[in-house]
Amino acid sequence: DAKTTQPNSMESNEEEPVHLPCNHSTISGTDYIHWYRQLPSQGPEYVIHGLTSNVNNRMASLAIAEDRKSSTLILHRATLRDAAVYYCILMYTGGFKTIFGAGTRLFVKA
Amino acid sequence: DGGITQSPKYLFRKEGQNVTLSCEQNLNHDAMYWYRQDPGQGLRLIYYSQIVNDFQKGDIAEGYSVSREKKESFPLTVTSAQKNPTAFYLCASSNLAGGPYEQYFGPGTRLTVT
Repeated sequence: DAKTTQPNSMESNEEEPVHLPCNHSTISGTDYIHWYRQLPSQGPEYVIHGLTSNVNNRMASLAIAEDRKSSTLILHRATLRDAAVYYCILMYTGGFKTIFGAGTRLFVKA
Repeated sequence: DGGITQSPKYLFRKEGQNVTLSCEQNLNHDAMYWYRQDPGQGLRLIYYSQIVNDFQKGDIAEGYSVSREKKESFPLTVTSAQKNPTAFYLCASSNLAGGPYEQYFGPGTRLTVT
């Protein structure tokens, strides 16, 4: 099963951009790259996904490397409410056997 | 509003008792999932179901059982055979038609067994 690697934690100042990296060197051609985030004692929340091209939505941007072996979630202006654990996940064929690693815990300083 | 509901939010049980966690979705999704999360850890897949009356074991199915009698419902039973049942349990659902297979999660049930 395809696996991702993320830093354990990152810190950001409020109102500054945050770049959360993810390595997925064993990604296959049909894997979607998904990002979720989880606030304490809540279920994960979908943030963004992509396949090959960079993607933007109201929450964030996703930059995907040309070889697709890495990606970066970009929060353009971090707020205190963005403090959460961010998971980078590969989804394929229905998402079965999806692996949620430990994710990156983002700390945002006021 | 469409979504996934899990009940109860907190559940306390004595060791040796079976307990059933509820999960309902009104998103008309085909697939449903159960995950377990321990403190400071990621999510681990317990069971998943692609269609009514069918389900498959995930990575940590031992000590758990599920049923899928209706498309909307996917209850999880934590049996007395589960060695360390205290955890945060999350239910999710997704569409299966053609990707990207985004999963929608419920608010979770925190189970404490003493």
